Amino acid sequence: DQQVKQNSPSLSVQEGRISILNCDYTNSMFDYFLWYKKYPAEGPTFLISISSIKDKNEDGRFTVFLNKSAKHLSLHIVPSQPGDSAVYFCAASPTGTASKLTFGTGTRLQVTL
Amino acid sequence: DAGVTQSPTHLIKTRGQQVTLRCSPKSGHDTVSWYQQALGQGPQFIFQYYEEEERQRGNFPDRFSGHQFPNYSSELNVNALLLGDSALYLCASSPYLLLAGGPRDGKETQYFGPGTRLLVL
Repeated sequence: DQQVKQNSPSLSVQEGRISILNCDYTNSMFDYFLWYKKYPAEGPTFLISISSIKDKNEDGRFTVFLNKSAKHLSLHIVPSQPGDSAVYFCAASPTGTASKLTFGTGTRLQVTL
Repeated sequence: DAGVTQSPTHLIKTRGQQVTLRCSPKSGHDTVSWYQQALGQGPQFIFQYYEEEERQRGNFPDRFSGHQFPNYSSELNVNALLLGDSALYLCASSPYLLLAGGPRDGKETQYFGPGTRLLVL
């Protein structure tokens, strides 16, 4: 039972354009959502998060949008840079267990010149 | 400031053997979580330790056990290895505040180590 789903295994975007990565979840108990970036041979690195009381959180080039009614969140990267090429994981945690994360299967983003 | 460190980086074992993986948390962190990442999948939560006790556990069999030491470092032990245990094992550390459901503004989150890649033949 995949509670966090990233249906696009890969995405290719030109440098300077917007990258949009999507994530869907099924568990209504999730109330905190995070995006991690992972380079080969490294552990996941925290990128940005959002609490269920918000519908948008922005940090520099990265913005996360949350649609609770649709159980959907997305990560926007503007403008995309070649260094953004990595695997992006969406993760979620339920109320009261902030550090037990459930991850999606990841989306490999390639930013081309 | 050293981040989360894990050892060894790579390990090859045969079916039925036992393995111990080690993790040192980021400075100032007292909670350690372990995740298993199979090829092509996202990390899956195994368990979490705080104050030398297992506090939460994911859907993993008893063959997976752990330990936390007074200096907050942790070990993951896997007995009777199966081929399906081949994976990247990630350790993550966080401050207790997260465990208690404290402020979650993105600044306090889990930091992951580089992982130990285990191959079971």
